[in-house]
Amino acid sequence: DAGVIQSPRHEVTEMGQEVTLRCKPISGHDYLFWYRQTMMRGLELLIYFNNNVPIDDSGMPEDRFSAKMPNASFSTLKIQPSEPRDSAVYFCASSLGLVGGASTYGYTFGSGTRLTVV
Amino acid sequence: GQQVMQIPQYQHVQEGEDFTTYCNSSTTLSNIQWYKQRPGGHPVFLIQLVKSGEVKKQKRLTFQFGEAKKNSSLHITATQTTDVGTYFCAGLRRSNYQLIWGAGTKLIIKP
Repeated sequence: DAGVIQSPRHEVTEMGQEVTLRCKPISGHDYLFWYRQTMMRGLELLIYFNNNVPIDDSGMPEDRFSAKMPNASFSTLKIQPSEPRDSAVYFCASSLGLVGGASTYGYTFGSGTRLTVV
Repeated sequence: GQQVMQIPQYQHVQEGEDFTTYCNSSTTLSNIQWYKQRPGGHPVFLIQLVKSGEVKKQKRLTFQFGEAKKNSSLHITATQTTDVGTYFCAGLRRSNYQLIWGAGTKLIIKP
């Protein structure tokens, strides 16, 4: 398996523009997570899906952020309009089953998208 | 809310010295996971501890889970340059099965 695939790897955009980040989870994984990482705030969970259904989006900063998972093999995170404070590395991760209990595989992270909003 | 505190934030060691990072939770955890993130990379799952008092080893890495399932540690013996990176603990919250992440400990090897 190629692992969790994210695109693009780097994105530089101007303030006010729409940004779309993409993620392909590992086939068979039924949980998908979007994280944001910054020096100031560390790793923050934005939203997660179970079987393509959004379960908890309480970490989404504001209405400018939206996420979708139209099928088991694809998810997007959209920021519209983007602002300089959105600059961060955005990670997608997938997991097989709930992390607790018998699961021992943890989360598999993608390589991330480094977003710079100027 | 429930937090996982991780210390120290940074640790500078000479190659060959040992390294330890500690995590402490305000409440009991279902389990705890450890991840390593190389500079410029992404977090990579290392291990999961589930049982009270559990100790697991991976070569030079020793992971412990406290008896009360509120604290955990990662110890690296005789560090090598390949160990450089940030080590994160992440505790599983019982109520909603969400991972609560520590802030990470950055291991820096002195030249």
